[in-house]
Amino acid sequence: EAGVAQSPRYKIIEKRQSVAFWCNPISGHATLYWYQQILGQGPKLLIQFQNNGVVDDSQLPKDRFSAERLKGVDSTLKIQPAKLEDSAVYLCASSPRGVNTEAFFGQGTRLTVV
Amino acid sequence: AQSVTQLGSHVSVSEGALVLLRCNYSSSVPPYLFWYVQYPNQGLQLLLKYTSAATLVKGINGFEAEFKKSETSFHLTKPSAHMSDAAEYFCAVTSGAGNMLTFGGGTRLMVKP
Repeated sequence: EAGVAQSPRYKIIEKRQSVAFWCNPISGHATLYWYQQILGQGPKLLIQFQNNGVVDDSQLPKDRFSAERLKGVDSTLKIQPAKLEDSAVYLCASSPRGVNTEAFFGQGTRLTVV
Repeated sequence: AQSVTQLGSHVSVSEGALVLLRCNYSSSVPPYLFWYVQYPNQGLQLLLKYTSAATLVKGINGFEAEFKKSETSFHLTKPSAHMSDAAEYFCAVTSGAGNMLTFGGGTRLMVKP
């Protein structure tokens, strides 16, 4: 079974530029998450999708971050414009339908804003 | 609201020694608890999970954790550390139908030869 795929693995941009990350979850997983992991900290949930609907985006900085899940499968996370404090690893995860099921994580995209 | 506290951001043990990584949680409803491991430049991999069945949970790579409701703890242990156990370990909690994981700050385990 293929895992969660993310691209790119690494990205360096200048502040005020825009950037987009892509995630392809495990086939058949209804739930998709984007987490932000700042160096030295635990992952923090940015947004959760159930199929193509948003379940929780309360911690997403909506003035600069946006996310969508196309047809309930792939997802993109965009930052525009980026700030220095956005430097982090962005992790995508997916889980099957059900309560308290295991989340499977991708390898992440390491973003450096200079 | 739910939260997780991991005591000790860095833990160092000798190879062959006991590993103990501490995790305390706060949850307003019965929690589901998880331990994940993260190797350098990798995503998170599930070690084990507690889902209200047995309070002693066995995971991969010889790790286990015990759920203690009275202490609101879910500490991770391994009897004998191996060099390959060196990694970052995260405790996480979820509760309710949302399945949203709340992570602790992580503990970096270092294993000395």
